[in-house]
Amino acid sequence: QQQVKQSPQSLIVQKGGIPIINCAYENTAFDYFPWYQQFPGKGPALLIAIRPDVSEKKEGRFTISFNKSAKQFSLHIMDSQPGDSATYFCAASYMSAGNKLTFGGGTRVLVKP
Amino acid sequence: ETGVTQSPTHLIKTRGQQVTLRCSSQSGHNTVSWYQQALGQGPQFIFQYYREEENGRGNFPPRFSGLQFPNYSSELNVNALELDDSALYLCASSEDLSETQYFGPGTRLLVL
Repeated sequence: QQQVKQSPQSLIVQKGGIPIINCAYENTAFDYFPWYQQFPGKGPALLIAIRPDVSEKKEGRFTISFNKSAKQFSLHIMDSQPGDSATYFCAASYMSAGNKLTFGGGTRVLVKP
Repeated sequence: ETGVTQSPTHLIKTRGQQVTLRCSSQSGHNTVSWYQQALGQGPQFIFQYYREEENGRGNFPPRFSGLQFPNYSSELNVNALELDDSALYLCASSEDLSETQYFGPGTRLLVL
C-alpha cells in the first residue's frame, strides 16, 4: 500500500527557531516529493519540492533533506516567523504517472513571537 | 492570470442526497485532480482528469464520479451522500500530467 507517514503531528517553536518535520515513504517508485503549506480555510500551497537524485534543496528559508536509502525526507524552516504558523504536508508521487499525490497526515506548526 | 477557483465555498446536505462541486482550472492547465480532506487529515486522491478523460482513480466508491469539460473545468459528483463524506474537497490543476499541481481553496461539505 502506498503510504507516506509524517511526524510529529504538532510542533511549537519560538520565533527564530528551526521546526523540523519528517516523512517516510514505502514505495521506492515515488520520484517526486513536494511539501505543501496550508492555512486555515485555504487550499494547500506548494512550498518546495525535490527529486530523488538530489540530497538537499533550499528555497529561501525552507530546506528539504532527502535520504533515498532510508526512504525518508524532511523539511527545515530556518529562522521561523509567526507568519509560518500553518499546517505542513509532505507528499509523494510518480511524476510519470500523472503526479497523483499521496499526502502525509500533516504537522501543525506554531511559531511563538 | 487567475488561479484555481472552486464553487460553492460551503455546502450543507442531508444523508442520501446528491451534490455537485465545480472547479475552474488555472489558465493554460489541462489536468485537474480532486482530493478529499477530512478534518485534521491530509488530502486523499479521488481521481484525475486529463484532456476530458479520467486518468486514474483513488480508493473511492463509484458514487464519486467526475467530468472534465472542453475548457478543462471540472465537476465532482457524489451520490447517496453519507455522513463520512463531510470533508473539504480540493481541486488542483496542472499545466500537464507531470507538472506541479496548484490547489484551489476547496469546498467545505457538511452532510447531516
